Amino acid sequence: GAVVSQHPSWVICKSGTSVKIECRSLDFQATTMFWYRQFPKQSLMLMATSNEGSKATYEQGVEKDKFLINHASLTLSTLTVTSAHPEDSSFYICSASNVGLSSPLHFGNGTRLTVT
Amino acid sequence: AQTVTQSQPEMSVQEAETVTLSCTYDTSESDYYLFWYKQPPSRQMILVIRQEAYKQQNATENRFSVNFQKAAKSFSLKISDSQLGDAAMYFCARNQAGTALIFGKGTTLSVSS
Repeated sequence: GAVVSQHPSWVICKSGTSVKIECRSLDFQATTMFWYRQFPKQSLMLMATSNEGSKATYEQGVEKDKFLINHASLTLSTLTVTSAHPEDSSFYICSASNVGLSSPLHFGNGTRLTVT
Repeated sequence: AQTVTQSQPEMSVQEAETVTLSCTYDTSESDYYLFWYKQPPSRQMILVIRQEAYKQQNATENRFSVNFQKAAKSFSLKISDSQLGDAAMYFCARNQAGTALIFGKGTTLSVSS
């Protein structure tokens, strides 16, 4: 079945530094990828929709300058948390959909970010 | 706002018993998809079952089945013959073709032996 690879699975960084998270579709082309954020024991909240070759669409309340999204190819989207602060510590998870619109979404295994 | 509501924050069931998780949603669209995802402590999102709104027949996947009531905008998940491995957080979600999933707040299911 379709696989989405997310890397790294966990990362610890210091306040003020930037962290890049990669999301790759391994065996299918994903024109659209989605980035979610999840706090402990809470639901997944959509942060942004990443479209290959164009600017990402951010949800209300998500700072586009802090959470930089790049979708440079049909198999790779990246989320960069810039100038990270402890309140950015969270679980970030991406999902991707096959080009066929009716196909289900596939999830990466997520990235646990801790900012110290 | 087009929302997904899970009114049961926690549920418990004994092994081999049946449990039903409820979900209601709000949408103005006529064509959409509904999902149940399982998230174990590893936090991996596992697709349990998927229902296309235009299909009247309820989806089933082995021990998992749904009761889809389109007019009532209800999409409950029934787990039969519950197993210890079913313990997890379960999310109900909705989307339209090609769009992001909108999730409910989740139901934590515990299974006791």
